[in-house]
Parts: sequence; C-alpha cells; structure tokens
Amino acid sequence: EAQVTQNPRYLITVTGKKLTVTCSQNMNHEYMSWYRQDPGLGLRQIYYSMNVEVTDKGDVPEGYKVSRKEKRNFPLILESPSPNQTSLYFCASSPLGERGFSYNEQFFGPGTRLTVL
Amino acid sequence: DQQVKQNSPSLSVQEGRISILNCDYTNSMFDYFLWYKKYPAEGPTFLISISSIKDKNEDGRFTVFLNKSAKHLSLHIVPSQPGDSAVYFCAASGPLGGAQKLVFGQGTRLTINP
Repeated sequence: EAQVTQNPRYLITVTGKKLTVTCSQNMNHEYMSWYRQDPGLGLRQIYYSMNVEVTDKGDVPEGYKVSRKEKRNFPLILESPSPNQTSLYFCASSPLGERGFSYNEQFFGPGTRLTVL
Repeated sequence: DQQVKQNSPSLSVQEGRISILNCDYTNSMFDYFLWYKKYPAEGPTFLISISSIKDKNEDGRFTVFLNKSAKHLSLHIVPSQPGDSAVYFCAASGPLGGAQKLVFGQGTRLTINP
C-alpha cells in the first residue's frame, strides 16, 4: 500500500529535550515536506526537500532541522523544543513531475501531535 | 501575510443540500489550485484541483469554480452527505519569487447535519 508513515503519532515532552519525528514514504517520491497545523493558521511549511541531500527552508523553519540521506526518509529534528512548537505536524511527499511538485497531489502522513511542556 | 485565505472557519449544512466553501488568494502568480479534505486523526487527502486556464472542474459531487479576476475559488458539494463532514483546505500553487510555492489556507470545518 502506497503510504507516508510518521512516528510517533503522539508525543509529550519537556522544554529542551531533543526529539526526532520520523517520516518515511514508499512511493519513490522525490519531493518531501514538513508542515505544522495550528488553529487559525492552517498548514504552514517548515522545511522541504527536492531530493536526497537537497533541503531548503519553508515559511516557519526556526527551531527545526531536517536531513535527507535516503530518498524514502525525511526526519524532523527539534534540537531544543519550546512550548511554541506544540502543534500538529504532517509530513508529505509527491513526485516532482514535469511542472514541479506543487502541481502534483501531495500525499500526507497521519500526523504527529506534539506537546512541549 | 496570508496569501491564501479561507474566511469561514466553519460551515454547517443540511444533508442533501449544497455546501459551498470559499477561498481567496492574493497573488496573481498562482496558477494551480487544489482542495484537500481532512478527517480527524488523519492526514489531508487530495480532493480536486483546477488550473488557471479553466474556470470550472467537476468530479462527481464536487465542483471547483475559479474566478481569476476576483482571485477567488469555491468548492461546491452537491448533494452534501454526512461523510463530507471534515476540514477542507484550499491550496494555491505557482512560481513565486523564483521558486515554486504551495500555500495552504486556514481550513474550513464543514459539518453536514442529518
């Protein structure tokens, strides 16, 4: 089954304790991205990757890191989480296609609900 | 600066009637628009899209209308069914600032009442 998986699905942590949220896709997609969803703000892009070893900042990258060492995996790293990073996080992937990723359907993972105390 | 706006946070519609969800955008460089549907505890899933060269795209009960001069699009669901109750996100795509961008709106929670 074609899918994007995220782990963990739920996480409660404390300020300053490093954490990693994993994301994996089995569709051989070049493009992967992380979003956060907050009430009244919708989905905002954190980081994205066009391919292996190619990553770039989205609209709200502060406090986050990513890496893309393999095509299927795109982990999100919070080196020193703070309460303002409490949010619902989604990983997404898509093929690049002829016109580019944004003209293709994005496939989203099920989400990770993070609470930072 | 919200480039894609869904001004109605929520909408309640009777089963069998038409649901109309609205979305406005500010940048005329957007040339492709998508709607996603999200159920609780799941990720968004693609619903329907429209290119800026069209003004209407239909897929079963779902129709998206695009008014480029007004920078406005709408999603019509006819007839509405209880399973349509979800959060709907509008997204706009295009070349902005030399890079491809995909920008989402805030979402509208649609509730279909039996």
